[in-house]
Amino acid sequence: ETGVTQSPTHLIKTRGQQVTLRCSSQSGHNTVSWYQQALGQGPQFIFQYYREEENGRGNFPPRFSGLQFPNYSSELNVNALELDDSALYLCASSLRPNYEQYFGPGTRLTVT
Amino acid sequence: AQTVTQSQPEMSVQEAETVTLSCTYDTSESDYYLFWYKQPPSRQMILVIRQEAYKQQNATENRFSVNFQKAAKSFSLKISDSQLGDAAMYFCAWVHNAGNMLTFGGGTRLMVKP
Repeated sequence: ETGVTQSPTHLIKTRGQQVTLRCSSQSGHNTVSWYQQALGQGPQFIFQYYREEENGRGNFPPRFSGLQFPNYSSELNVNALELDDSALYLCASSLRPNYEQYFGPGTRLTVT
Repeated sequence: AQTVTQSQPEMSVQEAETVTLSCTYDTSESDYYLFWYKQPPSRQMILVIRQEAYKQQNATENRFSVNFQKAAKSFSLKISDSQLGDAAMYFCAWVHNAGNMLTFGGGTRLMVKP
């Protein structure tokens, strides 16, 4: 059974640019959630996708958007990057929206 | 809004000893789940243990056990026979039974001394 994978591992972008992060869910999981973890803090929920539809969103602006594909993999897109977007971005998959979530290793995004 | 508080930014334990990490939460809901996640330096969040709010019995997973006090809204994690590999950040998290959003505490850094 393959666990949750994320790519890339690290990324450096310039303020104002756009970035796409990718996540492959664990086998059999149809739900993907994205979290932002700033340095020294707990993760903050960005949004969740279930069967290719957004299924809940945290307190993040519209420049954070996502997508889920028929194979349940997912993308997180961030437009007009700001310095405060520098963080570890975690993806988690689950069997159903309210089931326990299993996390990937994260993507470290640095915005300069 | 639900909040989760971990009041111990750092804890230290001697190898083979027992340590307890504290977590309190605030919610008006009655049906929910609580979790402890471990995040080692490799960054991957690993599920340690979960507790259903409707269960009075405290969850146990090998050396890890919880003390769940629903009325007090307290959910502490006890690690017995601590090992060097237990050194990590530990996060307490809450989710509503029908919800999707994990709410995390700020974390506790656990150091294990040989």
